[in-house]
Amino acid sequence: DIQMTQSPSTLSASVGDRVTITCRASQSISSWLAWYQQKPGNAPNLLIYRASSLESGVPSRFSGSGSGTEFTLTISSLQPDDFATYYCQQYNNYPWTFGRGTKVEIK
Amino acid sequence: QVQLQESGPGLVKPSETLSLTCSVSGGSITSYYWSWIRQPPDKGLELIGYIFYTGSTNYNPSLTSRVTISVDTSKNQFSLRLSSVTAADTAVYYCARRGNGSSKSGSLDYWGQGTLVTVSS
Repeated sequence: DIQMTQSPSTLSASVGDRVTITCRASQSISSWLAWYQQKPGNAPNLLIYRASSLESGVPSRFSGSGSGTEFTLTISSLQPDDFATYYCQQYNNYPWTFGRGTKVEIK
Repeated sequence: QVQLQESGPGLVKPSETLSLTCSVSGGSITSYYWSWIRQPPDKGLELIGYIFYTGSTNYNPSLTSRVTISVDTSKNQFSLRLSSVTAADTAVYYCARRGNGSSKSGSLDYWGQGTLVTVSS
C-alpha cells in the first residue's frame, strides 16, 4: 500500500495566518490526491481533488498544489471556521490510503 | 442535495458479524460507486471497499476475507457486512459516494455522518 505522510501533525496558528500542510506519498501518485477537512464529531468534507481542483462550494482561500510524491494544502488567510483536522488521500493505487491528519489549532 | 445515512447496531460481540446499511436520499444510487470507510477512535481513516450500483465490488486486501458489500437499488441502499470482528474493528463507520468523472474518481464527495460500532462482549 502507498503510505501517505502528513506534516506537521499539529499546527498552531492565528486567524488571518497563511497555513501550509504537506503530504508526501511513498511513491509517485501523479496528481491523484484529495484533501479533506474534518471537524470533531463530523464526517470528512472534500476540499480539493486531483491535487489542485477546488470542490464546488469550498472557499477560495483553500488551494492545493503538487504532483508526484509531494503535495501541499494552503489556507491563504485562516478563518475561525477552519480550525479542524485535515487529511490527504491518494487514489492513484488501490487501496486508496489516507494520511494520519494535521490538526490546526488556535494559537 | 445527496444525503447518506448509516444505520445498524452500535454494539457487536467479538467473533460475530457487523452489519450496517447506508441509505441514500436526494439522488439515485445508480451510475455511482459507493464506499465504506472506517476510523478507529483517535486514529486515521481506512478504506474498507466500494461497490458500483451494478454490484461490482472492490475490497481493501487487508479486509477482503471478512468483508461483503452489497447494493439494493430498489431501496437506494447499500450495505456492509464484516465477519469475525474483534476489538480492533471498533471504529466510526462512514458510507460515502465516490466522485464521478476521471478527475474526481477516487475522491469521496458525499459522506454520511458516521456511526460508532463498538466490539465488546
